[in-house]
Order: sequence, then C-alpha cells, then structure tokens
Amino acid sequence: GNSVTQMEGPVTLSEEAFLTINCTYTATGYPSLFWYVQYPGEGLQLLLKATKADDKGSNKGFEATYRKETTSFHLEKGSVQVSDSAVYFCALSAAYGNNRLAFGKGNQVVVIP
Amino acid sequence: DAGVTQSPTHLIKTRGQQVTLRCSPKSGHDTVSWYQQALGQGPQFIFQYYEEEERQRGNFPDRFSGHQFPNYSSELNVNALLLGDSALYLCASSLLGQRNYGYTFGSGTRLTVV
Repeated sequence: GNSVTQMEGPVTLSEEAFLTINCTYTATGYPSLFWYVQYPGEGLQLLLKATKADDKGSNKGFEATYRKETTSFHLEKGSVQVSDSAVYFCALSAAYGNNRLAFGKGNQVVVIP
Repeated sequence: DAGVTQSPTHLIKTRGQQVTLRCSPKSGHDTVSWYQQALGQGPQFIFQYYEEEERQRGNFPDRFSGHQFPNYSSELNVNALLLGDSALYLCASSLLGQRNYGYTFGSGTRLTVV
C-alpha cells in the first residue's frame, strides 16, 4: 500500500540555520505529495504541494521538489525563524482510486533564538 | 470565509461510553474525511463521506461510525470507548475529484478516555 517515511527524531536548530527534513514515499504511479505543518494545539495547515515529477512546491520560504527517481519529497528552508517551530508532516494522495492522505509520523522542529 | 469548524474542542469520556464529534466543512466543499491522530504520531484515515454515504474506510473497527448531512456537515461517532481511543480527531474537507488540491483541516477535537 501507499506509505510515507520521515526521518526519525526531532530537529533542533538555531535561528537562521538551514533546515532539511527528509521524506520518502512508496506508491504506485504518480501520487500527489504534500507537506503539512501543525502548530501547538492546532490542526494541520497545508504548507506546499507538488502533483507531478520534478514539480517544486514552495511557500513561506519552504521548498520541496518531487523526485520520482528517488521517491523523495524533502522539505528545505534556507533560514529558519523561531516562528517556524512546529511539527511537519509529509503526506501523499494516490494517483488513482481512493484519495485519502497517507501521512508520515511527523518531525518536531524547534528553532532556538 | 470560515474554514473547517469542529466541535467540541476538548472532551473527556469514561471507558465504555459513546461520543459524537461534529464537523462543518469549508464553504464550497462537499467531501468530509475524518482522521485520528494519536500523540506523537501522524494522522490515520478513518473514513470519508460524500453525498451522505461512506465512500472510503480505513482500518478502524465498526465502533467508529459516521454520518453526513445534506448541508455536508458530518458527525463521527465512537461507541464502547477504549483508553486507546484517546487522540486528536481531525476533520478535513475537500471537493470531490480535486485530489491535487489537498485538504482543509479543522483544529480538531481532543478526546481523552479515562
């Protein structure tokens, strides 16, 4: 079945540092790929998305490129702020059939001033 | 334009009881999905409703049931609550067929079973 794997463990970094969160997926065909962000005590917000190979999704300084050859969708930001502290989830929606979202386990990101 | 609205925001129930959670989708959306998010985990798909029918279901027991009303709002019912049902329950709405647009999520209902 479809699945998403995110790198283990929380990520702690200093303000203005470079952020990378790894995400790989297993799916048939060309699923749509998403990054969602969850701030403390809140629901999920769509951060960015990509719907076909080599697409780059971007929003609020975050970027992720849909890599079919490596089945990856890594999230990056060049200079993080304290306000970026949140939990980040990678997710996919199948290319055909059901359109439910399959999520990774998420990564807690803590940005220290 | 209101997004997805869920109620209540928090509730505490006793093992064996029943609970009903409610969701109003984003204006213009016709499909409602429910997800369970255990502490420290990613959301897990419970089921999806469209045109007042359950269209898809995840790997959840029959104790979990739902309903969609003509105005597209939805309810999630859980019977015979177990301690393991304690979680954040998220409602997400979308427009059927627009799978590439992602979902709009509510802030969730935090259910604690004691």
